[in-house]
Amino acid sequence: EDQVTQSPEALRLQEGESSSLNCSYTVSGLRGLFWYRQDPGKGPEFLFTLYSAGEEKEKERLKATLTKKESFLHITAPKPEDSATYLCAVQAASGGSYIPTFGRGTSLIVHP
Amino acid sequence: KAGVTQTPRYLIKTRGQQVTLSCSPISGHRSVSWYQQTPGQGLQFLFEYFSETQRNKGNFPGRFSGRQFSNSRSEMNVSTLELGDSALYLCASSGGASSGETQYFGPGTRLLVL
Repeated sequence: EDQVTQSPEALRLQEGESSSLNCSYTVSGLRGLFWYRQDPGKGPEFLFTLYSAGEEKEKERLKATLTKKESFLHITAPKPEDSATYLCAVQAASGGSYIPTFGRGTSLIVHP
Repeated sequence: KAGVTQTPRYLIKTRGQQVTLSCSPISGHRSVSWYQQTPGQGLQFLFEYFSETQRNKGNFPGRFSGRQFSNSRSEMNVSTLELGDSALYLCASSGGASSGETQYFGPGTRLLVL
């Protein structure tokens, strides 16, 4: 069974204090790993898709990396507007089933 | 390009009633997936439709059903509502031509069952 574990569950940072969020996964052949940002009461907003170990993607203050067992979302010099819940999801390549498995998310609060 | 839209945004129902939620995908997208999100369970997959056919189904009871129209718009129906059905219901669309494509989510419908 595919599993996704995100840590920490919650993270409080001061503005400008860089940190990383972790997404550990077990899946029978990774087809894709997705990062989303979700603000309270809203739908998840797509950030990145990673497909293979060693791949990296960047967007403004965010950088996502992927290994064979985990992914990191690095936040450099965060601002209060980066406060949100960050969700990770994986999709397996085997079985012909397209059902992404989501982690429970990391709730990030950035204080000014 | 317009994003995924969902209607209504908020809904209050009582136990035993039924409800229908609507989702319009991004133009050109043919796959629509539905999710239930609750604080206790997180995001849980309900089902996916592609070209008017249910392609995948999650572990939800038969009270949850859906359909997709020829224009790719989708509806989700929940019959005999229970208190535990209170949740944010999210719709996501993707190109759908092959599995593994990125899903784009709508704003969700907040359902409260009293």
